[in-house]
Amino acid sequence: QLHLQESGPRLVKPSETLSLTCSVSGASLTSNSYYWGWIRQPPGKGLEWIGFITYSERTNYNSSLESRVTISLETSTSQFYLTLNSVTAADTALYFCACALGPTTGIDYWGQGALVTVSS
Amino acid sequence: DIHMTQSPSTLSASLGDRVTITCRASQSISNWLAWYQQKPGKAPKLLIYDASSLQSGVPSRFGGGGSGTEFTLTISSLQPDDFATYYCQHYKNDLYTFGQGTKLDIK
Repeated sequence: QLHLQESGPRLVKPSETLSLTCSVSGASLTSNSYYWGWIRQPPGKGLEWIGFITYSERTNYNSSLESRVTISLETSTSQFYLTLNSVTAADTALYFCACALGPTTGIDYWGQGALVTVSS
Repeated sequence: DIHMTQSPSTLSASLGDRVTITCRASQSISNWLAWYQQKPGKAPKLLIYDASSLQSGVPSRFGGGGSGTEFTLTISSLQPDDFATYYCQHYKNDLYTFGQGTKLDIK
């Protein structure tokens, strides 16, 4: 069974960089067709897709965040990463890492989420 | 970018009711649509993919339909565990967008 777990700082200062790690067990990051991604949810609001990375390190990002976001992966540690630059209070959210088993399956697996607060 | 609009935003219903949630896409997305259920403080759960395919383990009272720009999620007979927020999401051309959500609560 595939399992995902987010980790990283829960408090980030405005203008600084948010960095989160997703640790994967039960599957390989090199699995053909899998999409490894990030989704966030501001408190009391809906879901916002941030982006994903494939086993071949092809990335796609939400156009509204593309200038500030990078998703990368490290197969040797079975982890993938999110960095979001120049954060503001509007980036305060519950950040989920997730996995879609293919391009047309929906998002099959989710981490439990990590609440990141942007505040001085 | 493709915009997804759900209706209604909130829905009050009783146990045993049949309910339908609608999701409209700003352009055709064929059948590249998924539905999720989310409870407070929890990760979403995939219910339906490819507009009408039931995810393994999801009760058969959940059903999805539609194609192109208009889609529906129907729950045939509401159970206590079904009161939650529901989201649609498209995945056309390897880009994702979620609808704003529909909160289903007890009347």
